[in-house]
Amino acid sequence: DAGVTQSPTHLIKTRGQHVTLRCSPISGHKSVSWYQQVLGQGPQFIFQYYEKEERGRGNFPDRFSARQFPNYSSELNVNALLLGDSALYLCASSPWTSRMRQETQYFGPGTRLLVL
Amino acid sequence: AQRVTQPEKLLSVFKGAPVELKCNYSYSGSPELFWYVQYSRQRLQLLLRHISRESIKGFTADLNKGETSFHLKKPFAQEEDSAMYYCALKDAGGTSYGKLTFGQGTILTVHP
Repeated sequence: DAGVTQSPTHLIKTRGQHVTLRCSPISGHKSVSWYQQVLGQGPQFIFQYYEKEERGRGNFPDRFSARQFPNYSSELNVNALLLGDSALYLCASSPWTSRMRQETQYFGPGTRLLVL
Repeated sequence: AQRVTQPEKLLSVFKGAPVELKCNYSYSGSPELFWYVQYSRQRLQLLLRHISRESIKGFTADLNKGETSFHLKKPFAQEEDSAMYYCALKDAGGTSYGKLTFGQGTILTVHP
């Protein structure tokens, strides 16, 4: 199993543009979470999705949106990019059970976004 | 609101010395605590979680609810332990089952 995969690995955009980041979870995992990691800081939670529904949302503006597909892969979209959106975007997948607290999140390698 | 604090940005020790990476948290409910590690040019990976009460690569961490701490310890550090370490707290209730709140991380360097 290749683990969680993300594409692209690197991306350069200019202010005002739109970006779409993609994530494929580990086979069998039905939940995907997105995190933003700004240089020098720990990851910050953006979204969690399960069964194509948003289950949790962090403190991010409406410019950030996401969706999950029937095959459990996910996209993170960011509109009207700002310089401050430059960061490493991490995707994590996990199994979903009734006791979600017990399950581990497995992280992908991330997509490094640079906004100029 | 939940918060995780790792007071040390950098920690340097010599090989064979004991190491302790500090983590303090604030959370009103019953927390799930984790330590994640990121080795050079590798992805973030789980090191251990408090509910498992296990030792991984010689590391242990005990949840102290009275002091709201979850410090990571190893009695004899090895050079291969050099990495970035993140303490994380999971929202075990409410609607955000998957949300992890991370500390800012501690860079551990083990010198030969």
